[in-house]
Order: sequence, then C-alpha cells, then structure tokens
Amino acid sequence: AQSVTQLDSQVPVFEEAPVELRCNYSSSVSVYLFWYVQYPNQGLQLLLKYLSGSTLVKGINGFEAEFNKSQTSFHLRKPSVHISDTAEYFCAVSGQGGYKLSFGAGTTVTVRA
Amino acid sequence: GAGVSQSPSNKVTEKGKDVELRCDPISGHTALYWYRQSLGQGLEFLIYFQGNSAPDKSGLPSDRFSAERTGGSVSTLTIQRTQQEDSAVYLCASSLYREGSEQFFGPGTRLTVL
Repeated sequence: AQSVTQLDSQVPVFEEAPVELRCNYSSSVSVYLFWYVQYPNQGLQLLLKYLSGSTLVKGINGFEAEFNKSQTSFHLRKPSVHISDTAEYFCAVSGQGGYKLSFGAGTTVTVRA
Repeated sequence: GAGVSQSPSNKVTEKGKDVELRCDPISGHTALYWYRQSLGQGLEFLIYFQGNSAPDKSGLPSDRFSAERTGGSVSTLTIQRTQQEDSAVYLCASSLYREGSEQFFGPGTRLTVL
C-alpha cells in the first residue's frame, strides 16, 4: 500500500515569488508519482507525472518536480507564480502493477498581489 | 474531444433515500475510477473498473455503495439508504489501461444528504 504526505496544508505567496510544495510518499514497491491541480469550482487537472527516467519532470504552466528516491519525495516547484496559480494542489501515487491513485491531503496555494 | 462528464452536477437528497450518480468516460478509455472528495477525508479511492469488471472495490465504505459499468463505457455509482456522512463530491476519472496512465477527471457530483 502507498501513502502520501503533503507537508503544508496552506501556502500563501506573493505574485512573482517562487513556491515549493512538499510531498513525501511511502511505499514498499516502485511507484508512479503525480501532481494534480484543482482550481476553484473545477475538476482535477494533471500538472505533471513521474514514471521513470530523468528525476526532474517538467509540467504545464511552468511547474516542475523532482523525484528523490532516497528521500521518497516528489516536491513541486514554480520559480515565479501568478495570481491564476491560486488553487489546491494534490500529490498522488500509484504502485507498479496498480492503477488507483492514493492522494495527499492537498496544499492550498493563495497568490497575492 | 469531449472529456469525462458526470451527472447530475448537484444532488440534494433526504437521509434514507437511494441515489444514482452517472459517469461518461472518455471514448476509448477502458479504465474507470470513482473517488470521493470530502472535507474530513480528502480524496479517497472507491472503486476501479477495467472494462465492465471491477478488480478493485476496496474503497467502497459500506455495502450501501455499489457500482456497475455497462458496455465498457457508462458507469453508475449507487448509494442506498443515504446517510449524512455520505455528503461529498463524487469524482469519476478514466484512463487508458496502462500503468502510470494519466487519469482524466470529471467535474464531479456534489451530493448533499439532509
């Protein structure tokens, strides 16, 4: 079984500042890792995913994440945020051979001018 | 093309009534998932379909919950004798049948049990 811990429940940030959202997972098997975003009153949208290969993954809207196997982490970063990045961000994991996603509790990012 | 659609978008029901929630996946996606999003529990997996069969029902919270999928397409999640703790947003997702495939989510059905 897999579990996901998002270390920050809320992250306030000023526009054009960098942001990092932390995610740690636990699993006894190799995993696939995902970051999803949920804008206010909308469904979940995939930002990026790690399956294998390069540990630095680039996604949509300028986001990137780095997979660190030794630290079992998959932190999400953006060098300069916009007001439109205000949303809830979810880290998720699925195990190899499995298909269902286990989600973290989510991190609410609020971008202020 | 069309994404995952769910109906109704909102459902208000009285405690003890049965409800049916519908999901139309993306055409060609053989895998279909139901999740529940609530304030206290976050995003929880409920059930997963591959074609019309459900190899993983481990997330269904009680025997009041059931789901079926017909024709490898539309799925219905049924909650019998609804309770107030069933109030949540029920999300459906679909994907290709391949490990690590992106799951595409619908907009959800917000269920309120009075």
